[in-house]
Amino acid sequence: ETGVTQSPTHLIKTRGQQVTLRCSSQSGHNTVSWYQQALGQGPQFIFQYYREEENGRGNFPPRFSGLQFPNYSSELNVNALELDDSALYLCASSSGGAHLTNEQFFGPGTRLTVL
Amino acid sequence: DQQVKQNSPSLSVQEGRISILNCDYTNSMFDYFLWYKKYPAEGPTFLISISSIKDKNEDGRFTVFLNKSAKHLSLHIVPSQPGDSAVYFCAAERGGAQKLVFGQGTRLTINP
Repeated sequence: ETGVTQSPTHLIKTRGQQVTLRCSSQSGHNTVSWYQQALGQGPQFIFQYYREEENGRGNFPPRFSGLQFPNYSSELNVNALELDDSALYLCASSSGGAHLTNEQFFGPGTRLTVL
Repeated sequence: DQQVKQNSPSLSVQEGRISILNCDYTNSMFDYFLWYKKYPAEGPTFLISISSIKDKNEDGRFTVFLNKSAKHLSLHIVPSQPGDSAVYFCAAERGGAQKLVFGQGTRLTINP
C-alpha cells in the first residue's frame, strides 16, 4: 500500500506567478485535505475535497483553489503569488465520512518559496 | 485567533525520563484531539488521539490526558527515547469533519 505522495518537493516562484501542487492520496482514501505550514507555525487548514467536491474551506482567499480527480488525487492552485505564500504545503488523505476515528495520513509536503 | 496553543516552543528531556507536552484550546466545540509527530523532511504522523468523552487514552509509552474544564490536554511519553526527538503538534477537530486545527508545535529533544 503506497502512502501519500506530493510533487514537486521544492519549488521557487516569483511574486505574481501561479503555482500548481499535486497530491496522490493513499489507496482507498476518498478525502484530501490541504494545509499550509509557515515557518515556525503549525499547519493551517486550507480546504478539503471529498469525492471530487469541496467540503469545507479555511480562512484563505479565493486565489487558493483546488481540484480532486476521479482517482482521488488532488491539486492545489495558487494564483497571484505573494511573499507570505512561502511555506510548506501539506496534503493529507483519509477515508472520509463523519467518523471520528478516520486518521489522516500526511504526505511529506511541497516547500514553496516565493521571491 | 489561535484556537489551539502550545506555549512551549521547545522541551529538553533526559533519556529514560518522562516527557510532558502541553496544549491548550479555546473552542469548547472541539470534540476530538490528536497528537502528531513530525521529523524533518517528513509529513506529520499520527501518534495518539482522544475523544472528548474520555479523560485519558494510553498507547504503549504514550498517554494523552484531557481536562475539559480547563480546556487543556497533555501528552506523556515514558520512558523517553532518543527516537522521540521530533516536533510534536497538538490538533483538534469538531464533529468528525477532519478539518484539523493545529497548535504551533513543541520541539522535543531527548538527551542521552
